[in-house]
Amino acid sequence: DQQVKQNSPSLSVQEGRISILNCDYTNSMFDYFLWYKKYPAEGPTFLISISSIKDKNEDGRFTVFLNKSAKHLSLHIVPSQPGDSAVYFCAASAGNQFYFGTGTSLTVIP
Amino acid sequence: DAGVTQSPTHLIKTRGQQVTLRCSPKSGHDTVSWYQQALGQGPQFIFQYYEEEERQRGNFPDRFSGHQFPNYSSELNVNALLLGDSALYLCASSLGSGVEFFGPGTRLTVL
Repeated sequence: DQQVKQNSPSLSVQEGRISILNCDYTNSMFDYFLWYKKYPAEGPTFLISISSIKDKNEDGRFTVFLNKSAKHLSLHIVPSQPGDSAVYFCAASAGNQFYFGTGTSLTVIP
Repeated sequence: DAGVTQSPTHLIKTRGQQVTLRCSPKSGHDTVSWYQQALGQGPQFIFQYYEEEERQRGNFPDRFSGHQFPNYSSELNVNALLLGDSALYLCASSLGSGVEFFGPGTRLTVL
């Protein structure tokens, strides 16, 4: 039972444009959400998080939006850079356990 | 400041064998979680250790067990290996229930 879903396995974006990665969840008890970035042969690296009491959190080029009524979150990267090319995982928790999506592979084309 | 480290990097075992994977958490972290990541999938939570006790467990059989030592390092043991246990095993550490920081993983291949 996949409680966190990333329905787009891959995404390609031109350098300088906006990248939007989407994530849906089913468990209304989730209260903390995170995005991780993963390069090949490395473990996931924490990118940005958001608590369920907020609907937006920004950190430089990265912004996460949370729509609790739709059980949907998204990660916006503006402007996209070739170094952003990686697999992005969203994760959610309701306590001590994190649930991960299956990832979206982002390719930023120079 | 050393991040999360894991050993070994790669491991090849045969069906029925047992394996032990090791993890040292990031400095200052007291909680260690283990994940299994199959090819093309996201990390799946195995269990979490805090204060040397298993605090939370995911949907994995009893063949998967672990341990946390007083210095917060941790081991993951898998008995009676199956072909389906082949995966990348990730260790993550955190301070309490905070953001988890991941190690590079151990790639386990079961033949």
